[in-house]
Amino acid sequence: NAGVTQTPKFRVLKTGQSMTLLCAQDMNHEYMYWYRQDPGMGLRLIHYSVGEGTTAKGEVPDGYNVSRLKKQNFLLGLESAAPSQTSVYFCASSYIGQSREQYFGPGTRLTVT
Amino acid sequence: AQSVSQHNHHVILSEAASLELGCNYSYGGTVNLFWYVQYPGQHLQLLLKYFSGDPLVKGIKGFEAEFIKSKFSFNLRKPSVQWSDTAEYFCAVTPFSGGYNKLIFGAGTRLAVHP
Repeated sequence: NAGVTQTPKFRVLKTGQSMTLLCAQDMNHEYMYWYRQDPGMGLRLIHYSVGEGTTAKGEVPDGYNVSRLKKQNFLLGLESAAPSQTSVYFCASSYIGQSREQYFGPGTRLTVT
Repeated sequence: AQSVSQHNHHVILSEAASLELGCNYSYGGTVNLFWYVQYPGQHLQLLLKYFSGDPLVKGIKGFEAEFIKSKFSFNLRKPSVQWSDTAEYFCAVTPFSGGYNKLIFGAGTRLAVHP
């Protein structure tokens, strides 16, 4: 049982390049989330999904797109990377319901130059 | 807007000192409360959580937190810290507003414990 995994662990992009971050979970969770973590700001929700084929915007969605074609996978895309997107990205997942804790992946450190 | 405030951004303690990290949230309804910890280079792990019942909750590694509804607070405590407690600690709140598990994080408190 690997929990939540993220690929890649590190990435450096040039401004304007695109990339996709992959999140996978093997806990059969319905909900999945993408956060970014910046110093002094905690974690902020980018997008989330409440089930296969559905996605919704979080607190800071601009510049990102997501897809959830399979229940176990949640992809985060950057179409045209900007230096402001330099951050650590965390994926999380949880069971359905209000009282469910979120389980986090190890993070992806992205630098945009 | 709903928010979570953590009063201390950086805390430095010596081993065996007592720890209390403050957390306040702004939401008038029912909430679930969490403390997560992030050790250097690692992902977030759940320390403890409060859903209902006894407002004093105990978590892993000797941590505990007390939910005081009248003060909208959920402070984290540990009577005697160890060097291995060096980490960043995040308070988080899920308001009962329907829909997904919206988790609102505080900015975090970075704890350094010196031997």
